Amino acid sequence: GEDVEQSLFLSVREGDSSVINCTYTDSSSTYLYWYKQEPGAGLQLLTYIFSNMDMKQDQRLTVLLNKKDKHLSLRIADTQTGDSAIYFCAETSLGNTPLVFGKGTRLSVIA
Amino acid sequence: AAGVIQSPRHLIKEKRETATLKCYPIPRHDTVYWYQQGPGQDPQFLISFYEKMQSDKGSIPDRFSAQQFSDYHSELNMSSLELGDSALYFCASSGGQGREQFFGPGTRLTVL
Repeated sequence: GEDVEQSLFLSVREGDSSVINCTYTDSSSTYLYWYKQEPGAGLQLLTYIFSNMDMKQDQRLTVLLNKKDKHLSLRIADTQTGDSAIYFCAETSLGNTPLVFGKGTRLSVIA
Repeated sequence: AAGVIQSPRHLIKEKRETATLKCYPIPRHDTVYWYQQGPGQDPQFLISFYEKMQSDKGSIPDRFSAQQFSDYHSELNMSSLELGDSALYFCASSGGQGREQFFGPGTRLTVL
């Protein structure tokens, strides 16, 4: 079945860049997503990338996809304390099918 | 912009009781998904509906049922509640061939 793996923790200093990594196993993964969850809150969709793309940039966020290695990363430039949260990588094979999530990476930003 | 609405936001029940969670998708979204997130866990898919028909089924216990109504809102019915059902329950919606699933704020269910 599908499996999505993420490292559990990442700690960075305010102003530095953060890179959160994700690997997936399903070759048919077509859409890959990044969600942000703050404590006790819902899941905020940050961005997604279609599998025929290598990169997507949206303001401070850059998503890189290496389809050959099934590796996805999220880079946050100029990380701020408000970026402290859990970041979930998720994948789906079709647009309207359930998401499979990774375990989430807890990002801590040190002032 | 309108978001996904879930009610109630918090719910406390006793073991063996029943609970009903409601979800109102973003207007013009035709697909609703339910996910369960246990403490410190990632969200797990339960069930989804497209145009009022069940479209996918995940790890939903037999004690739970759900449906989508003519106005596209959805309800998750949970019976014979167990302590292990304590979790955050999220509803998400997507529209047409939209690739994004937008999540509601969740309902925090506590079973005592």
